[in-house]
Amino acid sequence: DGGITQSPKYLFRKEGQNVTLSCEQNLNHDAMYWYRQDPGQGLRLIYYSQIVNDFQKGDIAEGYSVSREKKESFPLTVTSAQKNPTAFYLCASRLAGGEYNEQFFGPGTRLTVL
Amino acid sequence: GENVEQHPSTLSVQEGDSAVIKCTYSDSASNYFPWYKQELGKGPQLIIDIRSNVGEKKDQRIAVTLNKTAKHFSLHITETQPEDSAVYFCAASRVGSARQLTFGSGTQLTVLP
Repeated sequence: DGGITQSPKYLFRKEGQNVTLSCEQNLNHDAMYWYRQDPGQGLRLIYYSQIVNDFQKGDIAEGYSVSREKKESFPLTVTSAQKNPTAFYLCASRLAGGEYNEQFFGPGTRLTVL
Repeated sequence: GENVEQHPSTLSVQEGDSAVIKCTYSDSASNYFPWYKQELGKGPQLIIDIRSNVGEKKDQRIAVTLNKTAKHFSLHITETQPEDSAVYFCAASRVGSARQLTFGSGTQLTVLP
């Protein structure tokens, strides 16, 4: 059963703590993305990666970090430097090369800072 | 960079009526325009897309129109059903761009029984 999995579904964190969100895909997609979604707003790009061991900042990268050691995995770390981390986080992937390849989304992780 | 504006932010229609959501984009080089549907607590799913070389595309009750000159595109849902209730996002992309998608702010569609 192919797709994108994100874990955990819900995550609670105390202020000052780093936390890592998992994203795994078995679609053999080359590109992977992290978005943040806040109520009443669209999806804002945090980081993206086109190939293993390479990634680029999106529009709101401050306070976040990523790694891409394996093609199927793209974990996101929310650091204590992120001022307002409570949000819904979405991971996506896309098969690179095609001009109009669809971007597939995972089910999301809801992070709440207590 | 690209900027996508989406209207309205909320839309309520009676079951069986039509719903229209509109988006404008700023980058004239954008040439791919997908629409996503997001149900509560889930990730967005692609429902239809259009490329800049066509003006309209239909898929059963859903259609999308594109006006390149005015830089706007619209989603039309006919014969709405309660299961159409969700948040809809438009997006724009320039082919070849590694970032791929810039999203609108979303429209909460509610279909009233």
